[in-house]
Amino acid sequence: AQSVTQLDSHVSVSEGTPVLLRCNYSSSYSPSLFWYVQHPNKGLQLLLKYTSAATLVKGINGFEAEFKKSETSFHLTKPSAHMSDAAEYFCVVTRRAGGSYIPTFGRGTSLIVHP
Amino acid sequence: EPEVTQTPSHQVTQMGQEVILRCVPISNHLYFYWYRQILGQKVEFLVSFYNNEISEKSEIFDDQFSVERPDGSNFTLKIRSTKLEDSAMYFCASSELQARYGYTFGSGTRLTVV
Repeated sequence: AQSVTQLDSHVSVSEGTPVLLRCNYSSSYSPSLFWYVQHPNKGLQLLLKYTSAATLVKGINGFEAEFKKSETSFHLTKPSAHMSDAAEYFCVVTRRAGGSYIPTFGRGTSLIVHP
Repeated sequence: EPEVTQTPSHQVTQMGQEVILRCVPISNHLYFYWYRQILGQKVEFLVSFYNNEISEKSEIFDDQFSVERPDGSNFTLKIRSTKLEDSAMYFCASSELQARYGYTFGSGTRLTVV
C-alpha cells in the first residue's frame, strides 16, 4: 500500500533562514510525489512534482525537493524563507487503486515564519 | 494557466437538505476527483471519476453522495441529506494523465451545515 508521512505538524523558522519540511513515503512501485501549498482560506496550489525524471525537482517560489529512493524521502526545502511562505504544506503520493492512481495526502505541515 | 473552477465558494445549508457542489475541470482533462477537508484535519479522498463512471471511492462516499458529469463540462457532487458532520471544505481536482502530470485542484467550496 502507498502512504505518506509528514514528520512535523508545525515548523517554525525566521524570515531569511532555510526551510526544511520532511516527507517520507511508502510505495510498492515507483511513485509519483507532489507538494501542494494551501494558504489560509485558499485552495491547493501545486508547488512541484516528481514523476520519475530528475530526482531534484524545482518548483515555484524558490522551493525544491529531492527524491531519495534509498531513504524513501521527498523533503521540501527553500534556502531563505519569506513571510509569504507561511501556509500549510501537503506531501502527496499517488496510490494505485485498480486502474486508477489516487492522490493520497499527508496530514500537512504548518509553516510559521517569524519576522 | 488553466484552472479548475468551483462554485459556490461558500454554501450554508440546513441539516437534511440536499446540496450540489459544482466544478468545471480543465477542458482536456480526463480524470476527476472530489476531496474534503474538515476544519483542522487532513485532506481526504472521496471519489474519482473517469470515462463517465466512478473508478474509485472511499468509505466516506456512502449512499448519501453521488457524482455526475451531466454535460461534458461540469462535474458535480451531490449530498442528498446533509448532516452537521458534512461541514467541510470540498475540493474538486482534475488531471490529464493521472499521476504523470499532476493534479490541478480548485479553490474549494466551504460547506456549512447548520
